[in-house]
Amino acid sequence: EPEVTQTPSHQVTQMGQEVILRCVPISNHLYFYWYRQILGQKVEFLVSFYNNEISEKSEIFDDQFSVERPDGSNFTLKIRSTKLEDSAMYFCASSDSGEAETQYFGPGTRLLVL
Amino acid sequence: QKEVEQNSGPLSVPEGAIASLNCTYSDRGSQSFFWYRQYSGKSPELIMFIYSNGDKEDGRFTAQLNKASQYVSLLIRDSQPSDSATYLCAVMPNSGNTPLVFGKGTRLSVIA
Repeated sequence: EPEVTQTPSHQVTQMGQEVILRCVPISNHLYFYWYRQILGQKVEFLVSFYNNEISEKSEIFDDQFSVERPDGSNFTLKIRSTKLEDSAMYFCASSDSGEAETQYFGPGTRLLVL
Repeated sequence: QKEVEQNSGPLSVPEGAIASLNCTYSDRGSQSFFWYRQYSGKSPELIMFIYSNGDKEDGRFTAQLNKASQYVSLLIRDSQPSDSATYLCAVMPNSGNTPLVFGKGTRLSVIA
């Protein structure tokens, strides 16, 4: 069964460093998303991406964040200068236009900023 | 501000019983509704979706939607200890592959 994959599973970084989180969406999906979940809190939307451009972003997705689809399979989230409060689980999701536009989530990357 | 509310629990039910999980949402125009299961430290795993008023059954799971009351629920029949997890209600406020708004989740504990 097709699934969303994410790498790395865990990332530890120093405050102020850049991190890139990688995702491979389900192959025939056209819509991609990043969400995050701070420990003990709800899943929050960051950004959505379609047709090689951002379609929607939340207030959390400020200038420190960027997304890219560098090739036909990968979808990346870059945080330029990490802050302590960026520590969270980051989930990638993808969907197509069928099945009520259901979003399928990857296993997540646990980011810890020290 | 679009809100999705869930009782955080924990909801404890004995093995074999019916677990009932509830969710309300603020945006009356919301289109689609999803239930995800999340084990501790893991990602949300889709259980089922519903977009029409009424009931939708899939195995031991039944989703119920009442758009007039802005209420969606999930029933789990014959609950098993492996069903112990946090259940996330997610709402898609608009059609067209738009972002999900999640509730905080209800923690379910099925006691053997």
